[in-house]
Amino acid sequence: DIQMTQSPSSLPASVGDRVTITCRASQSISTYLNWYQQKSGKVPELLIYGASRLQSGVPSRFSGSGSGTDFTLTISSLEAEDFATYYCQQSYVGTTWTFGRGTKVEIK
Amino acid sequence: QVHLQESGPGLVKPSETLSLTCGVSGYSISRGYYWGWIRQPPGKGLEWIGSLSHSGNTYYNPSLMSRVTISMDTSKNQFSLTLSSVTAADTAVYYCARIDINILVAIESWGQGSLVTVSS
Repeated sequence: DIQMTQSPSSLPASVGDRVTITCRASQSISTYLNWYQQKSGKVPELLIYGASRLQSGVPSRFSGSGSGTDFTLTISSLEAEDFATYYCQQSYVGTTWTFGRGTKVEIK
Repeated sequence: QVHLQESGPGLVKPSETLSLTCGVSGYSISRGYYWGWIRQPPGKGLEWIGSLSHSGNTYYNPSLMSRVTISMDTSKNQFSLTLSSVTAADTAVYYCARIDINILVAIESWGQGSLVTVSS
């Protein structure tokens, strides 16, 4: 299996902060990397697919970058509704899809 | 707009078989997409269980493969998960999902989730 390592596991932040979450794959996955947001008690929602493509309806303050093994999710200016847990997930062809362990963005 | 809804027992005894069904409305499961199951133990992260193509091909997480079966019933427009020989470690919220493997290559729609507790 391809292992996905997310960091940090917890990220205290304030409204207006620029937030960066990283995800590293144990082998190259090209740009088959997705990011999901899960608010407390809610269903995960797709934010970014293909490493950098914004899912329809997702605010432009979210962006993704990276390829190969190293990826980043950035929130340019954190809003109150963005406090949540974020998961990366690899969807490389022919492999079992796997998730990172999550990053909880919490109020500082 | 597709809608997915999990259904099944909320309590399963150890060593028995967990069975869940995902009813789909707003889209015919035999028409396209893949259909999958993901689980999340309480307070923990997400784990991929497996998926099913619209033509019936299955793909399972190797760590669960010996115990998992995913199948579809096109007449009812639903697909199902069975997990045998369950233990407390299988206690989780189980989500069914629609998966786009062509453009997004991602999980694009989720059910609301069904909590299954394994306990005697």
